[in-house]
Amino acid sequence: EVHLVESGGELVQPGGSLRLSCAASDLTVSYNYMSWVRQSPGKGLEWVSFMDSGGDTKYADSVKGRFTISRDNSKNTLNLQMNSLRPGDTAVYYCARGRSGGYSYLNWFDIWGRGTLVTVSS
Amino acid sequence: SYVLTQSPSMSVAPGKTATITCGGNNIGSKSVHWYQQKPGQAPVLVVYDDTDRSSGIPERFSGSNSGNTATLTIIRVEAGDEADYYCQVWDSRSAVVFGGGTKLTVL
Repeated sequence: EVHLVESGGELVQPGGSLRLSCAASDLTVSYNYMSWVRQSPGKGLEWVSFMDSGGDTKYADSVKGRFTISRDNSKNTLNLQMNSLRPGDTAVYYCARGRSGGYSYLNWFDIWGRGTLVTVSS
Repeated sequence: SYVLTQSPSMSVAPGKTATITCGGNNIGSKSVHWYQQKPGQAPVLVVYDDTDRSSGIPERFSGSNSGNTATLTIIRVEAGDEADYYCQVWDSRSAVVFGGGTKLTVL
């Protein structure tokens, strides 16, 4: 059964950095659209970033220039390097697999991890 | 940027029909996807490509999309359907867009 397991979330001070990882089972990260979606406490879902099978990346305006998505093919993991963190980045960060459904863009997310909590506070 | 609008909350009695809407400019020209999220859990894909049910989702769940409104309909609502429901689309400028979510309460 396909599983995504996020790790790396913790309490960090404003301006600090953090690296999240998403380990995949029965799914090859490099063959798929892979994405990060976050959810601030009591709020809705917010897309953060994705990487497609070709390695192209895209970011939400709210994180552009501060976050970097990457993958480690040898470990079959998806990563999110988060720099210059702000209190507004406090959220549960989910890793999700995206599907194109035959289109040339990411369409929907069919597999989600349980998430990892990032808290940005002094 | 493209915006999806959902009512924050709605309530329905067991056995009745819940109609959850998602508004967006000419959303009928896009593919709409729906997620169910229960407290403390990750989202689960319910309907994709406007009308297709995800694996394991009961036939009581259905989707439609036309004009400026997409709809998720749940017939014969059960207590276990109580959750937050989010719509989502791909937009060529905004990339992935989620609606604000609708909290469904089963009375």
